[in-house]
Amino acid sequence: AQTVTQSQPEMSVQEAETVTLSCTYDTSESDYYLFWYKQPPSRQMILVIRQEAYKQQNATENRFSVNFQKAAKSFSLKISDSQLGDAAMYFCAYRTPRGNQFYFGTGTSLTVIP
Amino acid sequence: ETGVTQSPTHLIKTRGQQVTLRCSSQSGHNTVSWYQQALGQGPQFIFQYYREEENGRGNFPPRFSGLQFPNYSSELNVNALELDDSALYLCASSLDPGTSFYEQYFGPGTRLTVT
Repeated sequence: AQTVTQSQPEMSVQEAETVTLSCTYDTSESDYYLFWYKQPPSRQMILVIRQEAYKQQNATENRFSVNFQKAAKSFSLKISDSQLGDAAMYFCAYRTPRGNQFYFGTGTSLTVIP
Repeated sequence: ETGVTQSPTHLIKTRGQQVTLRCSSQSGHNTVSWYQQALGQGPQFIFQYYREEENGRGNFPPRFSGLQFPNYSSELNVNALELDDSALYLCASSLDPGTSFYEQYFGPGTRLTVT
């Protein structure tokens, strides 16, 4: 079975600075999808960014970007110009090609310091 | 366009009882996935329903079962509740799984406490 590992239970960043959250995964498949989700204290999960494994180009969404290293099975999230509203739990997730199985990491709690 | 809703918000049950949780998918979505999120953990995939059929299942025992209705809303049923079933249960709706632009929209969750 696929596994997703987030080795940083907690991270903190100064407002306006940049922070990188790490994620590694294990799979034998060549085609899959990766996601970063944000779960604020209100608990509703929100999609931050996604990456298709067949795409070499790293995904970018405004201040959020990923560093996808397929051979290393690494998928980190970089948040630039951090804002107070970025404070939340961040989950890395893996989706199978058929879209009928999902695996989440244990999450990284991000604190933004004013 | 209405978002994903779940009911009830909170629920307290006794060990051995049965519980039904409900999820209304976002308008136009035909797929619902259910997750269990224990305190301080990431969501664990329970199963997925696509067009009223179970389309995928995680590592959960058969006492976790589900239904999807013609309007694509869904229920999660848990029989013979155990203390470890205490968790936040999330549902997420989406369009056809397997597509490149597949994206899940999560509901706010149901907090289940088993005593």
